[in-house]
Amino acid sequence: EMQLLESGGGLVQPGGSLRLSCAASGFTFGNSAMTWVRQAPGKGLEWVSTISGGGAATFYADAVKGRFTISRDNSENTQYLQMTSLRAEDTAIYYCAKGGHYSAFGPWGKGTLVTVSS
Amino acid sequence: EIVLTQSPATLSLSPGERATLSCRASQSISSQLAWYQQKPGQAPRLLVYDASNRATGIPARFSGSGSGTDFTLTISSLEPEDFAVYYCQQRSNWPRTFGQGTKVEIK
Repeated sequence: EMQLLESGGGLVQPGGSLRLSCAASGFTFGNSAMTWVRQAPGKGLEWVSTISGGGAATFYADAVKGRFTISRDNSENTQYLQMTSLRAEDTAIYYCAKGGHYSAFGPWGKGTLVTVSS
Repeated sequence: EIVLTQSPATLSLSPGERATLSCRASQSISSQLAWYQQKPGQAPRLLVYDASNRATGIPARFSGSGSGTDFTLTISSLEPEDFAVYYCQQRSNWPRTFGQGTKVEIK
């Protein structure tokens, strides 16, 4: 069974940094693009970033470009989202999902909550 | 950026009724559209990919259709567990974008 487990969320002050992790199991991780999607409280889904299976190609939403960095460690079956210069509007549940480059997003992890507040 | 517009925003139906959800793209996206279901407090779940292909484990009452700019998700007979929010999403262009969602609620 494919599983994704996010971690690393929490409360951070505006301007601060946080690194999210997503541990994958049940599929060939290195062959799969991976994606982060976020959902602000009471709002819809917003695509954040996608990384190709080998890690050579990365894609970002304009709202996070230059502040967030997606990466992966295929030896550890884990992807990451390094978030810097965090703003109140980055407050959201961050979901990890398989796919996104040449496929739809699925499955999804349960998400990790990031709250940016002083 | 490709804008996806979902309609209606809310659909009020009874169990056993047919639900028809629409998603319109601001430009042609071929068949590169997916549908997701999200229940309160849960992560989204992939229902349909590439416009008309059901994901693994998705019941046959869910079906997707369309190509180009107009897409439809149909639930043939609503079960109690189908009341949720549904999102469409395109993978034709970067950035990937979602529709704003359609809430299917119990009438």
